[in-house]
Amino acid sequence: GAVVSQHPSRVICKSGTSVKIECRSLDFQATTMFWYRQFPKQSLMLMATSNEGSKATYEQGVEKDKFLINHASLTLSTLTVTSAHPEDSSFYICSAKVSEQYFGPGTRLTVT
Amino acid sequence: DAKTTQPPSMDCAEGRAANLPCNHSTISGNEYVYWYRQIHSQGPQYIIHGLKNNETNEMASLIITEDRKSSTLILPHATLRDTAVYYCIVRVAAGNTGKLIFGQGTTLQVKP
Repeated sequence: GAVVSQHPSRVICKSGTSVKIECRSLDFQATTMFWYRQFPKQSLMLMATSNEGSKATYEQGVEKDKFLINHASLTLSTLTVTSAHPEDSSFYICSAKVSEQYFGPGTRLTVT
Repeated sequence: DAKTTQPPSMDCAEGRAANLPCNHSTISGNEYVYWYRQIHSQGPQYIIHGLKNNETNEMASLIITEDRKSSTLILPHATLRDTAVYYCIVRVAAGNTGKLIFGQGTTLQVKP
């Protein structure tokens, strides 16, 4: 099946700094990738749809200036959490679509 | 996309069949039923999807009622590794850029 990777798997950063998370489709090209966030004991919440070569589409309530998404190639999308705060601590998961959506393993972000 | 309703939790004995129900009474004619699962602290894993016919793959079977208002995911011989949160999602046609909206899912606990 299609494989999606994320890097890093875990990151700890200080409040006020920015963190970049990478999402790669390893064995296929994806014109569309999705970014989700998941808080403990909650379901996944879609943050944005990332389209190769164009601007991302953000879900209602998600700050586009805080969560910067770049989809510069058909195999890579990045999510940058800018000026991170403790409330941004969460599990961030990406997915890439070929025939179906395949998910990455997730990135655990902890902001101290 | 249509809303789905799933029981919050279920138990199943190891080796027995696990039958996970999903209600989607407002499903539209062009919406597919998708099932994903999420093992703790991992990204979701695609299981199966269908439109109106029953479907089977190496992981599971999907039974959709004739009126398409409900479906059942069947894991024929559950193992301890099948313990996970199972999500039933309805979505417009397979193959397009449709996003997946996750509900609360069913937490399946497989017991020895």
